Amino acid sequence: AQSVTQLGSHVSVSEGALVLLRCNYSSSVPPYLFWYVQYPNQGLQLLLKYTTGATLVKGINGFEAEFKKSETSFHLTKPSAHMSDAAEYFCAARGGTASKLTFGTGTRLQVTL
Amino acid sequence: GAGVSQSPSNKVTEKGKDVELRCDPISGHTALYWYRQSLGQGLEFLIYFQGNSAPDKSGLPSDRFSAERTGGSVSTLTIQRTQQEDSAVYLCASSLQSSGGPYEQYFGPGTRLTVT
Repeated sequence: AQSVTQLGSHVSVSEGALVLLRCNYSSSVPPYLFWYVQYPNQGLQLLLKYTTGATLVKGINGFEAEFKKSETSFHLTKPSAHMSDAAEYFCAARGGTASKLTFGTGTRLQVTL
Repeated sequence: GAGVSQSPSNKVTEKGKDVELRCDPISGHTALYWYRQSLGQGLEFLIYFQGNSAPDKSGLPSDRFSAERTGGSVSTLTIQRTQQEDSAVYLCASSLQSSGGPYEQYFGPGTRLTVT
């Protein structure tokens, strides 16, 4: 069965600092991978997705993620945090023939002045 | 265009009552999903519909939960005899298709259900 692990339920960074949110997946077959962001009292918004091809994926709001098959990882990064980045971030995976998304437990990002 | 919409946005109900949650997917999306987001369990898949195929109900936590999708569009999630552990945010999502490709799922704002 597919599983997704996000290390760190809470991450705090200073404004302007690097953001690194970790995600590892467990699958015998590299899945499709997604990062979603959730702002308070809102639904999930897709940040970026990995399907096939280029392993460095760029998304919205300056975020990017790198798929590393050897490490079964898909960490999310942003070079310089902004206050508006404060939200909860979810990593998700879906197998090639599966339909449902399997989510990690989420990481709440706090950005301080 | 319009995104996924859900109603009501908030629902407070007494234990033992039945509730219905509604989802309007993006027009043209053939796949529709329900997820539940709760403090203890994170984001859990409940059920999905793809076109006229039989729905995948593998995520429904008990037989008190059911869902239907009428006319390949609007979906209703029904919870009978609600329990306090049903309190959660219920999220609906839709996508162009459900399998065979990296079709992204678009999420609605959710319905926050509180069972008192």
